[in-house]
Amino acid sequence: QSALTQPPSASGSPGQSVTISCTGTSSDVGGYNYVSWYQQHPGKAPKLMIYEVSKRPSGVPDRFSGSKSGNTASLTVSGLQAEDEADYYCSSYAGSNNFRNVVFGGGTKLTVL
Amino acid sequence: EVQLVESGGGLVKPGGSLRLSCAASGFTFSNAWMSWVRQAPGKGLEWVGRIKSKTDGGTTDYAAPVKGRFTISRDDSKNTLYLQMNSLKTEDTAVYYCTTDKTKGLVVVAVFDYWGQGTLVTVSS
Repeated sequence: QSALTQPPSASGSPGQSVTISCTGTSSDVGGYNYVSWYQQHPGKAPKLMIYEVSKRPSGVPDRFSGSKSGNTASLTVSGLQAEDEADYYCSSYAGSNNFRNVVFGGGTKLTVL
Repeated sequence: EVQLVESGGGLVKPGGSLRLSCAASGFTFSNAWMSWVRQAPGKGLEWVGRIKSKTDGGTTDYAAPVKGRFTISRDDSKNTLYLQMNSLKTEDTAVYYCTTDKTKGLVVVAVFDYWGQGTLVTVSS
């Protein structure tokens, strides 16, 4: 069982927007602005899409955006494209006073219909 | 261009040991914090541990499931990161990824900005 809770699946048609949630606790998501999102295509390594809740690395399209409210973070993909179909994982820093340190969500499979 | 290339994976029996390597290029490895992240077959991502740069103390942090069994080290002269895995269990079966671990001064922000292609470790009798 993953520390952060994500819906197992999400879907949308090309051009639509879809939002994926990531729910933790006040000890991780709610306690730090260090939430990241990763995209993983089948058989490939994960790719950083969002960090520090809402920042985009260079080269990531601005169709990808992140936000946080309380213990829940969200990734929104606008203007869905076929290549956005992938698994998405959230992660959060969880403090240094125990062995959790970094926690991940279980992943959400995004399907572009 | 940042490149991380893992090697050393394979089949090992429960209780055995294995050492993974990660050859880094395209950035100043000695200044980088590095982490290992693993992914069991068909499952999600799991952080394994981190090593800070020597200038920032060179200390290590580990996830609870591997603490006391796994050791992360680095050889800055060879631009190489290592993961020594001892007392392996079947539940350690996974693809192991080497990642850069973005820093904000001395603050851990837990951002894995570059990833290798991964190396598969299978623990089975």
